[in-house]
Amino acid sequence: EAGVAQSPRYKIIEKRQSVAFWCNPISGHATLYWYQQILGQGPKLLIQFQNNGVVDDSQLPKDRFSAERLKGVDSTLKIQPAKLEDSAVYLCASRFKLSTDTQYFGPGTRLTVL
Amino acid sequence: KQEVTQIPAALSVPEGENLVLNCSFTDSAIYNLQWFRQDPGKGLTSLLLIQSSQREQTSGRLNASLDKSSGRSTLYIAASQPGDSATYLCAVRPWDRDDKIIFGKGTRLHILP
Repeated sequence: EAGVAQSPRYKIIEKRQSVAFWCNPISGHATLYWYQQILGQGPKLLIQFQNNGVVDDSQLPKDRFSAERLKGVDSTLKIQPAKLEDSAVYLCASRFKLSTDTQYFGPGTRLTVL
Repeated sequence: KQEVTQIPAALSVPEGENLVLNCSFTDSAIYNLQWFRQDPGKGLTSLLLIQSSQREQTSGRLNASLDKSSGRSTLYIAASQPGDSATYLCAVRPWDRDDKIIFGKGTRLHILP
């Protein structure tokens, strides 16, 4: 079974530029998550999708961050414009269906904002 | 507000030793607790998941315990190996949130050959 795929793996941009990250969850997984992990911290949930609908985006900085999962499969996370404090690893995770299932994480995208 | 704390932040031990990683949480109303492993440049891998009604879970050389009333969990690693070097993260799922999990900052473990 293929795992959660993310691209790119690394990205370096200057502040005020835009960037987008892509995630392909495990086939058949209805729930998809985006996390932000700042160096030395645990992952923080940014947004959760159930199929193509948003379940929780309470911690997403909506003035600059946006995310979509149009067909209930792949998802993209965008930052526009980026700030220095956005430097972090952005993790995507997916879960099959049941609330008792564990989340499966992708390798992450490391973003550096200069 | 649920907060998860992991002590120590970093730990180095010689190969072969048994070790314990600690996790504490402020609100005992949890659905489950999970221990993850994170290797550099890689995502998180679930190691053990303990439901709130359970006291411990074991997988190979790993044993995780849960004392919900005191808000504590420990991850015990027996006969440590250099391949165990990684960051270990503790995460709790609050009872009142269907799906959200809250992570600690992790413990960076280095096993000395």
